[in-house]
Amino acid sequence: DQQVKQNSPSLSVQEGRISILNCDYTNSMFDYFLWYKKYPAEGPTFLISISSIKDKNEDGRFTVFLNKSAKHLSLHIVPSQPGDSAVYFCAASASDSWGKLQFGAGTQVVVTP
Amino acid sequence: DAEITQSPRHKITETGRQVTLACHQTWNHNNMFWYRQDLGHGLRLIHYSYGVQDTNKGEVSDGYSVSRSNTEDLPLTLESAASSQTSVYFCASSESRGGYNEQFFGPGTRLTVL
Repeated sequence: DQQVKQNSPSLSVQEGRISILNCDYTNSMFDYFLWYKKYPAEGPTFLISISSIKDKNEDGRFTVFLNKSAKHLSLHIVPSQPGDSAVYFCAASASDSWGKLQFGAGTQVVVTP
Repeated sequence: DAEITQSPRHKITETGRQVTLACHQTWNHNNMFWYRQDLGHGLRLIHYSYGVQDTNKGEVSDGYSVSRSNTEDLPLTLESAASSQTSVYFCASSESRGGYNEQFFGPGTRLTVL
């Protein structure tokens, strides 16, 4: 049973526009959330995270929003650039899970010129 | 610079063979993880270790084993490879910082079982 869901397998966006990636979770014990970015033939790389005590975290062009009541988080990329074309994974962790992460299935983002 | 490496990067094997995938990290991290990535499933945890001599089963551990004899290495063994184990395998490591851990991933091993 997938506890972290990314329901959009793909997203196409024009360069310069906003990319919005969504992620839903079912386990109320999750209290730390991460986004990873993955290029073909490479391992995932950490992008940004948020803990459940916050509802927003920003890092440059990347902002993650957390809505705990809806068990939903989103990643905003503004403005989108061609180098942002990659697969994005949402992941979640519980404080008692000692570092184990549950991953979503991923969203393929394509940024077009 | 600290890094995490995996070898081989590509492997083709036959059904029933034993296969070992290597993972080596120089971060000096206590935690190490093995995942497999399949379309539609994201990354699923196979085995993990919190330190030397410690190993634990993840959600898809059947047919796999690991051993941790030092901090740097966590080899993954497929005892008798099956076609269902054709996948891309990623190793990761993280510090022991309570429950909040960013994991660092290796480049992956693409395994094909014929």
